[in-house]
Amino acid sequence: QKEVEQNSGPLSVPEGAIASLNCTYSDRGSQSFFWYRQYSGKSPELIMFIYSNGDKEDGRFTAQLNKASQYVSLLIRDSQPSDSATYLCAVAEVKLSFGAGTTVTVRA
Amino acid sequence: NAGVTQTPKFRILKIGQSMTLQCTQDMNHNYMYWYRQDPGMGLKLIYYSVGAGITDKGEVPNGYNVSRSTTEDFPLRLELAAPSQTSVYFCASNPASSYNSPLHFGNGTRLTVT
Repeated sequence: QKEVEQNSGPLSVPEGAIASLNCTYSDRGSQSFFWYRQYSGKSPELIMFIYSNGDKEDGRFTAQLNKASQYVSLLIRDSQPSDSATYLCAVAEVKLSFGAGTTVTVRA
Repeated sequence: NAGVTQTPKFRILKIGQSMTLQCTQDMNHNYMYWYRQDPGMGLKLIYYSVGAGITDKGEVPNGYNVSRSTTEDFPLRLELAAPSQTSVYFCASNPASSYNSPLHFGNGTRLTVT
């Protein structure tokens, strides 16, 4: 069983819509959860991190964590063409484990 | 601020050749990591280090070696290159205080083995 699984893409959303990305993890001891954005040919860059159950908002991005369900999600509100990228979920216990990523395309 | 610097950016190797991917950081981070990313896949941990003189294997260490003689540098060595090692390699670091803190990534090295 994969440690970190993300919903398969690609995900195509119209400009201005909400993009919803999901991630589940297998290790109940996981402490920290991260969302990275990766543009094609570039290195990952941190968007959000969340440590506690509930929601965390930063601008147009909201991360949601439910440790009981071992589930973390990322919502992108008012999606823009510049949000078109691959989004990687990462979960930390002792080491950081990454999901395979979900590619998002925002169409104008 | 330089952050995490990787060299080279691109490299083509023949099967059986060896090379070292360089990684250096100027943020005084204790934790450093090497990941590989295959097309359409997430990042797989190769090796990591929690401080100078200390290294440990990640998920996919076979065919690689590392050393950590200083806090700043964490080179990755490929001894006998194989086509399966064709990938993009990322070096990353995070602060001394916690492995839970976000990673700072280098710009990557794109390696092709033919």
